[in-house]
Amino acid sequence: GQNIDQPTEMTATEGAIVQINCTYQTSGFNGLFWYQQHAGEAPTFLSYNVLDGLEEKGRFSSFLSRSKGYSYLLLKELQMKDSASYLCAVSRYGGSQGNLIFGKGTKLSVKP
Amino acid sequence: DAMVIQNPRYQVTQFGKPVTLSCSQTLNHNVMYWYQQKSSQAPKLLFHYYDKDFNNEADTPDNFQSRRPNTSFCFLDIRSPGLGDAAMYLCATSGPGQISYEQYFGPGTRLTVT
Repeated sequence: GQNIDQPTEMTATEGAIVQINCTYQTSGFNGLFWYQQHAGEAPTFLSYNVLDGLEEKGRFSSFLSRSKGYSYLLLKELQMKDSASYLCAVSRYGGSQGNLIFGKGTKLSVKP
Repeated sequence: DAMVIQNPRYQVTQFGKPVTLSCSQTLNHNVMYWYQQKSSQAPKLLFHYYDKDFNNEADTPDNFQSRRPNTSFCFLDIRSPGLGDAAMYLCATSGPGQISYEQYFGPGTRLTVT
């Protein structure tokens, strides 16, 4: 079966650093995505990892270990607007073939 | 701006009354997806079109159908909505030339079934 696990909720303080973990077990792997979703809105793309290692993009970084079936999203210098759900999603096959399997999302609350 | 548009943003229908949700895109992407997302749950892929080829997920109920008359438009038809079909329905697109084949999502249509 397909399984993607991430914590349900996290709380952090404005200006701090937070790490959101994701573990996956899927039949097939062609990359892992992180999306941000504000309440009542559509998911927006944050990052994509297909090789092991760290990808950095401004305040956001994403890490992947394929051998461990593990990824994390690192958010630095947290801002109030970062309060949202963060979805981990695995692409199982290559090309534009759909098959994105989403985790349930981690709801992050940033407090002053 | 190139985008994915969904109409309406909010739709109320009655139990058993057919309803159609629409999605259009100006990105000229060849793949279009429909997801169902219930509260505090992951988006669940219902089906997708790769060009004109329709790909249904194995566990998508027969009550859900889709049409793609051209590259830009895609419709989700719910033939006999039940109370359990109340959810946010997300349309997404992806296309060639993108290294990551990231999916671009529309704002969603929130469906209420009364």
